[in-house]
Amino acid sequence: EAGVAQSPRYKIIEKRQSVAFWCNPISGHATLYWYQQILGQGPKLLIQFQNNGVVDDSQLPKDRFSAERLKGVDSTLKIQPAKLEDSAVYLCASSGSGQSNYGYTFGSGTRLTVV
Amino acid sequence: SQQGEEDPQALSIQEGENATMNCSYKTSINNLQWYRQNSGRGLVHLILIRSNEREKHSGRLRVTLDTSKKSSSLLITASRAADTASYFCATEIRGGFKTIFGAGTRLFVKA
Repeated sequence: EAGVAQSPRYKIIEKRQSVAFWCNPISGHATLYWYQQILGQGPKLLIQFQNNGVVDDSQLPKDRFSAERLKGVDSTLKIQPAKLEDSAVYLCASSGSGQSNYGYTFGSGTRLTVV
Repeated sequence: SQQGEEDPQALSIQEGENATMNCSYKTSINNLQWYRQNSGRGLVHLILIRSNEREKHSGRLRVTLDTSKKSSSLLITASRAADTASYFCATEIRGGFKTIFGAGTRLFVKA
C-alpha cells in the first residue's frame, strides 16, 4: 500500500512569510495527525483530525498556524507569519481509527527553515 | 513537561551487543508504542503494547510494560550497525486518543 505522502520535502522562507504543507494519508485512514519535530526533540502533536473534524488542537499556535482536512482525506498545514522558532520538521501521520491499535504511519516530513 | 521520557539519552554499543532503552510516563495509557527514526527521515512504527499486556516480541525486539511503575523498556538483541537511529516511545493517553512522544534515545552501533 502507498505510504503517507508529504510535500514539499524542504522549504526555506524568511521570517514573516507564509508557508503551506500538504499531506495525503494512507487510503481509508480516518485519523490524521500533524506533528512538529524540532531538532534533537521528540515530535510534538499540533493537531489531530478524525475524518474532517478536529479532535485535538490544544498545542496548535492558532494565532499563526492553521490546518484543514477537507473531505476527510488530504490535509494542509499553514503558517502565517512564520517565526524563526518555527524551524523544524513537520510530520504528517495517519492511522485507521482514533485508537491506534497498530501504530501510526508517518510521512517523510517537510523540513522548514525560517531565516 | 513531556508525558514520556526515555533513558538513556544516548547509547553507544558494539555490533552484536544488546541495547536496552527505557521509557517512563506519567498518566494512565491505552497503549505504548516504540518508533525508530533514521537521520533526516520519518518515524517507523516498531511495536505496540497495550496496557493489559506485559511483554511483546517482534524479531530481535522485546518490549516490556510495567503499568504499576509507569515504565517500559525496549531491548534490541544482537544489534547491527543498521540499528543506528533514534528510538522514541509514544504513549496513547487513556480517556482520549492523543499520543505523546518522548525526547528519544540516540543509539549508535559500532561495526
